[in-house]
Amino acid sequence: QKEVEQDPGPLSVPEGAIVSLNCTYSNSAFQYFMWYRQYSRKGPELLMYTYSSGNKEDGRFTAQVDKSSKYISLFIRDSQPSDSATYLCAMSEEGQNFVFGPGTRLSVLP
Amino acid sequence: GAVVSQHPSWVICKSGTSVKIECRSLDFQATTMFWYRQFPKQSLMLMATSNEGSKATYEQGVEKDKFLINHASLTLSTLTVTSAHPEDSSFYICSASWGETQYFGPGTRLLVL
Repeated sequence: QKEVEQDPGPLSVPEGAIVSLNCTYSNSAFQYFMWYRQYSRKGPELLMYTYSSGNKEDGRFTAQVDKSSKYISLFIRDSQPSDSATYLCAMSEEGQNFVFGPGTRLSVLP
Repeated sequence: GAVVSQHPSWVICKSGTSVKIECRSLDFQATTMFWYRQFPKQSLMLMATSNEGSKATYEQGVEKDKFLINHASLTLSTLTVTSAHPEDSSFYICSASWGETQYFGPGTRLLVL
């Protein structure tokens, strides 16, 4: 079992839809969780950063962490074609040495 | 957020030559930098972890003599691909630790002819 699992997609949704992206993990010691967005041929861009369990909201983006289920989610409301990208989750025990998921390719269709 | 730059963004070279890629943290000091490789439509592959002033730690399967990493200062790490071959053609991305997060550079696309 890989340490961090993520559905690779591609996930296609119509513009305006709510998108749910998810990662599961096996290491219960992970405490730091991040979501990155990567456009084609660009470096990953940090979107959201959360510590421990709970929710965090930033504009159209909401990150959720459920440590009891070892499951994290990123929700995108009112999705736009410009949200089309690969979304990577990453997590760490101590805020160093992050383990990355393989990424989910999202396509938002106009 | 913190800014990480990479130079060059694009490089084309002949087989057998060496290529140096620079990674800089522009507005913060990074004691730890990471080098990744990414093939088209594939996930990031960690190559090595670079700590300022010490030798890099390479992931299993990554040849340290082929991919030379130097982290001479808190704002600069370099990756040198020595005697590059066409199979080294890839997208190389660095990142730098800042607090409990990691910020990525824009990447360097290497094409070896």
